Amino acid sequence: GEDVEQSLFLSVREGDSSVINCTYTDSSSTYLYWYKQEPGAGLQLLTYIFSNMDMKQDQRLTVLLNKKDKHLSLRIADTQTGDSAIYFCAEYGTGTASKLTFGTGTRLQVTL
Amino acid sequence: DVKVTQSSRYLVKRTGEKVFLECVQDMDHENMFWYRQDPGLGLRLIYFSYDVKMKEKGDIPEGYSVSREKKERFSLILESASTNQTSMYLCASQGGSSGNTIYFGEGSWLTVV
Repeated sequence: GEDVEQSLFLSVREGDSSVINCTYTDSSSTYLYWYKQEPGAGLQLLTYIFSNMDMKQDQRLTVLLNKKDKHLSLRIADTQTGDSAIYFCAEYGTGTASKLTFGTGTRLQVTL
Repeated sequence: DVKVTQSSRYLVKRTGEKVFLECVQDMDHENMFWYRQDPGLGLRLIYFSYDVKMKEKGDIPEGYSVSREKKERFSLILESASTNQTSMYLCASQGGSSGNTIYFGEGSWLTVV
């Protein structure tokens, strides 16, 4: 079945860039997503990328996709304390039942 | 904006009780989902539904059932709650003009004692 992996924790200083990485196994993935979850809240869609794209930029967020290696990354420029949250990578496959498969989430801690 | 509303944010139930978690979306989306979230495991799909009265098992359906009598409402049912079902439950919906984007509710924290 599909599998999505992320590291569990990342700590960065305020003002630095954060890079959160994700690998996936489903070669039929059509969309790849990044969601943000703040404490006690649901998931907020941050951005997504089509599988035929290499890069997408949206203000402070840059998504890079290496389809050959099945590797996705999210770069947050000028990281702020408000960026502290759990970030989930998810892939949307077109197998027998199209659905989102999530990674375990990466907890981003921003220090002063 | 898409709105997915989960009726209960925090619940405490006893082992063996029947539990209903309700979810309503206001965007006429065809697809609705129930996930549970546990530390270190990410989100795991319990059940999903492509249309009224239709349901499909996700990755961890054991111990759960669902009901979709109306398009806007998708209910998750725990017939006999157990302590290992203590978790955060997230409802989501997708479809219509939102395309493949899935929108989530705020989550329901269920504790089974």
